[in-house]
Amino acid sequence: DTGVSQDPRHKITKRGQNVTFRCDPISEHNRLYWYRQTLGQGPEFLTYFQNEAQLEKSRLLSDRFSAERPKGSFSTLEIQRTEQGDSAMYLCASSLAGGGLNEKLFFGSGTQLSVL
Amino acid sequence: AQKITQTQPGMFVQEKEAVTLDCTYDTSDQSYGLFWYKQPSSGEMIFLIYQGSYDEQNATEGRYSLNFQKARKSANLVISASQLGDSAMYFCAMRLFSGGYNKLIFGAGTRLAVHP
Repeated sequence: DTGVSQDPRHKITKRGQNVTFRCDPISEHNRLYWYRQTLGQGPEFLTYFQNEAQLEKSRLLSDRFSAERPKGSFSTLEIQRTEQGDSAMYLCASSLAGGGLNEKLFFGSGTQLSVL
Repeated sequence: AQKITQTQPGMFVQEKEAVTLDCTYDTSDQSYGLFWYKQPSSGEMIFLIYQGSYDEQNATEGRYSLNFQKARKSANLVISASQLGDSAMYFCAMRLFSGGYNKLIFGAGTRLAVHP
């Protein structure tokens, strides 16, 4: 069990560029979540997958954002035409479905995005 | 509205003393789960403790205990015998199942500093 890993840890990009982040969940976990965290705030939900199906998307997820989990394992989050307001920590988490209300999310260390 | 409120932006405590971090929640659901996570400077969110809305006893996990007062809608975290390594951000979170929600809603967090 190597935990949830995210790549890259840091990304600096210029406004208008596209960026893609990757998340590898804990291997037996079938649920995967993306959260965004800005400085001084708690994580905000963006989207989640059960296996390869994207089951919920937040209104925060504009049409410039897209997430995929093609084989129900790793996931990618792409941001097109980045804006300075996209600067944040992007956190990935995974869990095993069926835990009910006490289903615990295991988080990665996040990708820190800075848009110049 | 489903919401978590943490009113203490920062707290400090002397090493080996106990500290209470406040959390209040707002939901009309009867079934919900409450979580506390720790986020050290490395960025990873670490699960600490869970309390279900139907649990009659307060949850405990080692030095962590959750003071659950359902009528007041509060779920305060108590850390006993603070250690220097407890210095971190602490987030309270809530999970709901109503309306198809299956995600954690986080508060803004409390930064805890443990002094020697």
